[in-house]
Amino acid sequence: NAGVTQTPKFQVLKTGQSMTLQCAQDMNHEYMSWYRQDPGMGLRLIHYSVGAGITDQGEVPNGYNVSRSTTEDFPLRLLSAAPSQTSVYFCASRPRQGLRNTIYFGEGSWLTVV
Amino acid sequence: RKEVEQDPGPFNVPEGATVAFNCTYSNSASQSFFWYRQDCRKEPKLLMSVYSSGNEDGRFTAQLNRASQYISLLIRDSKLSDSATYLCVVNYNFNKFYFGSGTKLNVKP
Repeated sequence: NAGVTQTPKFQVLKTGQSMTLQCAQDMNHEYMSWYRQDPGMGLRLIHYSVGAGITDQGEVPNGYNVSRSTTEDFPLRLLSAAPSQTSVYFCASRPRQGLRNTIYFGEGSWLTVV
Repeated sequence: RKEVEQDPGPFNVPEGATVAFNCTYSNSASQSFFWYRQDCRKEPKLLMSVYSSGNEDGRFTAQLNRASQYISLLIRDSKLSDSATYLCVVNYNFNKFYFGSGTKLNVKP
């Protein structure tokens, strides 16, 4: 089972560069989201989507864009990378219905901005 | 104020010990509660949901105290393989889950 697949796993960017973190899930989950994890901060929600064509902002959306053209894919775009965006990024998905449904995470993308 | 707060630890315990973690949450309208486990440099994975009446899964017991707005996780007979970071997760809006920063557990031989 592929589950949630993120690429790339590691990336180094220069300040001002742009890039896209890819995320795909094969579980037909309506809900997808992106988190970043920083030491001592826990996971913070960047953007989320409840279905194709629908996205919304989370806690820390500035500097990031998302789109959801298909149920399977939810890419995260860094528009102009800054050192403050150095972090571990996790894509996640879950079925839309049910408060207790499990969140499934991708393996993470380690991003360093220099 | 953080939505979810946890003691970062680390909790260093010998094998076979019983250890407990607490987590407090700020929003009284919170609807669902979970414990996730995260191994070093890995993604979080669901350990267990937390139900109002408390629930048990093998050596793990979770409790919810709505009046005091905290949840707890008790691990009995700790194993070396229990060493990980335990994340408390709270949801009060279907679309938004709030994660604590985690409590690190080291189980030593």
